[in-house]
Amino acid sequence: GAGVSQSPRYKVAKRGQDVALRCDPISGHVSLFWYQQALGQGPEFLTYFQNEAQLDKSGLPSDRFFAERPEGSVSTLKIQRTQQEDSAVYLCASSFGTSGNTIYFGEGSWLTVV
Amino acid sequence: AQSVTQLGSHVSVSEGALVLLRCNYSSSVPPYLFWYVQYPNQGLQLLLKYTTGATLVKGINGFEAEFKKSETSFHLTKPSAHMSDAAEYFCAVSDQRNTPLVFGKGTRLSVIA
Repeated sequence: GAGVSQSPRYKVAKRGQDVALRCDPISGHVSLFWYQQALGQGPEFLTYFQNEAQLDKSGLPSDRFFAERPEGSVSTLKIQRTQQEDSAVYLCASSFGTSGNTIYFGEGSWLTVV
Repeated sequence: AQSVTQLGSHVSVSEGALVLLRCNYSSSVPPYLFWYVQYPNQGLQLLLKYTTGATLVKGINGFEAEFKKSETSFHLTKPSAHMSDAAEYFCAVSDQRNTPLVFGKGTRLSVIA
């Protein structure tokens, strides 16, 4: 596609519900990133893939958060047993290479946990 | 560890006035530096980036930034603000070790007619 596509754009989940957020990166982009952006804050790094390999997951806040990219293209961020503090915008981004390359962001998935 | 400090969570300028958004970084190795803009309900769009070479970097929409190693700064400027520049601006840093982008907390720019 022309840009990074994320779905759903908006999700309201009841506390305790599991959610799955999808990211379709720009075609051919090797690197894929997930960020969490709380209201009024800058994006915070969650995890990073190079092709299908998850190279860094140091930013995942708890073991309720899980990300995968099984075929090196589409990625899914899964949050189990959602809590109110999980309410945020989840941004996916991709780049052709690694350091120094321009990283392109999707419009985000807005998650509200009630 | 890398970090970014953006001075001023909110900056307000008059239309046609100079825009100056401040960014200071901390990095133990030569950094790569970025400015992104975020409009309401949208993702982040790259304005400009510094990797190597010329320290004065020109970006889209008339913005530019200068990498000053001695001051560990990468301030964003635009000579004349336009109403359409009103948005949230984020400074970010990474480096040659494939570390992920680390963002500042952002500066909201308001432009007054």
